[in-house]
Amino acid sequence: DARVTQTPRHKVTEMGQEVTMRCQPILGHNTVFWYRQTMMQGLELLAYFRNRAPLDDSGMPKDRFSAEMPDATLATLKIQPSEPRDSAVYFCASGSQTEAFFGQGTRLTVV
Amino acid sequence: AQKITQTQPGMFVQEKEAVTLDCTYDTSDPSYGLFWYKQPSSGEMIFLIYQGSYDQQNATEGRYSLNFQKARKSANLVISASQLGDSAMYFCAMRDQPNSGYSTLTFGKGTMLLVSP
Repeated sequence: DARVTQTPRHKVTEMGQEVTMRCQPILGHNTVFWYRQTMMQGLELLAYFRNRAPLDDSGMPKDRFSAEMPDATLATLKIQPSEPRDSAVYFCASGSQTEAFFGQGTRLTVV
Repeated sequence: AQKITQTQPGMFVQEKEAVTLDCTYDTSDPSYGLFWYKQPSSGEMIFLIYQGSYDQQNATEGRYSLNFQKARKSANLVISASQLGDSAMYFCAMRDQPNSGYSTLTFGKGTMLLVSP
């Protein structure tokens, strides 16, 4: 059963620390999205890759966030340094034109 | 400009009844896709159903069907025979397909559905 795998599922870290979230997309999907979900803002697009090339990262604070896709089986989202306002659930999704499946998310708490 | 509008913040339905969750969208591209997701209290985002703009028939997946009215730019989700487990947040999303090839997945703000016994 193909699924998008995200690690870690939960992360608690101190302000100023680096956080790395990982995503293994479904094999064969050519598109990867990173979203952030908060109660106030809902689902916000952070980054968008197609065929591993970054097409849009305008939703990310560039000074602290970075997204990469070093190979077809791994996408990463990094926050350095983390801040309390980064506390949210971060979702990775992979898909094609007619489907998009989400991972279970990483719940990040920055204290 | 908001691309996806879900006007119902919350909906209530009794078990075994049908319910319609509204979604309207805005795009100038002739080719696009519409998606519905369910997010239960556990937090996962579950893909429910997809409708392509050129699809001749309304999409159906089990108890889920999509009432696609292209001229009105609406893509309402119909859940038949509601179950208690259908209680969740439901999101409508659109992926347009311009010639540039750049097409993200844009979400509405969601509708909270509560199914009562």
